[in-house]
Amino acid sequence: DAKTTQPTSMDCAEGRAANLPCNHSTISGNEYVYWYRQIHSQGPQYIIHGLKNNETNEMASLIITEDRKSSTLILPHATLRDTAVYYCIVRDLYNQGGKLIFGQGTELSVKP
Amino acid sequence: DAGVIQSPRHEVTEMGQEVTLRCKPISGHNSLFWYRQTMMRGLELLIYFNNNVPIDDSGMPEDRFSAKMPNASFSTLKIQPSEPRDSAVYFCASSFPAGRTDTQYFGPGTRLTVL
Repeated sequence: DAKTTQPTSMDCAEGRAANLPCNHSTISGNEYVYWYRQIHSQGPQYIIHGLKNNETNEMASLIITEDRKSSTLILPHATLRDTAVYYCIVRDLYNQGGKLIFGQGTELSVKP
Repeated sequence: DAGVIQSPRHEVTEMGQEVTLRCKPISGHNSLFWYRQTMMRGLELLIYFNNNVPIDDSGMPEDRFSAKMPNASFSTLKIQPSEPRDSAVYFCASSFPAGRTDTQYFGPGTRLTVL
């Protein structure tokens, strides 16, 4: 079972920052937070991951709270092409191996 | 880089027929994953291989499903006999462990329809 809770859907205006929350209150010390997204009719795409520090790459930023019980994915300037389902995944690489356990995700709609 | 390659992209078959889905992982990746996506169950992991060896097949729904990885560049997922409830999009993904973390790269998927 997925260990995360995400809103079912969100809207964002084009050009504005999209902030996608994720709750993972039962996360353990060796579990990472991963974000993937799935654009309609495509395979999931890796976005970013982190353990406890905030992370940034060319796609997004990941902000993890100090207690690690929640995180926020930030798309700084959302475009129409960012419309997708965004999955927040908690992943234990040692006990679960390579498993990604997907929940229902957040359906982000970027509107002009 | 061609990415993960899956074939066919679409498959329509009749109940009872054998279906074989194929996957070519990214060159150099040593882990391969098969996922299934349906509206009802979402994305679920079926099986994964590490260095061509099946590590966890607990997600394989039943004996009608089998997966093989004869070498590092090819894997198959077979359904025999197929049933209408097997209709789904099947994704293959591959990864190469990078230190303590790794990134899975997904293929475009095979949309299977069983009539």
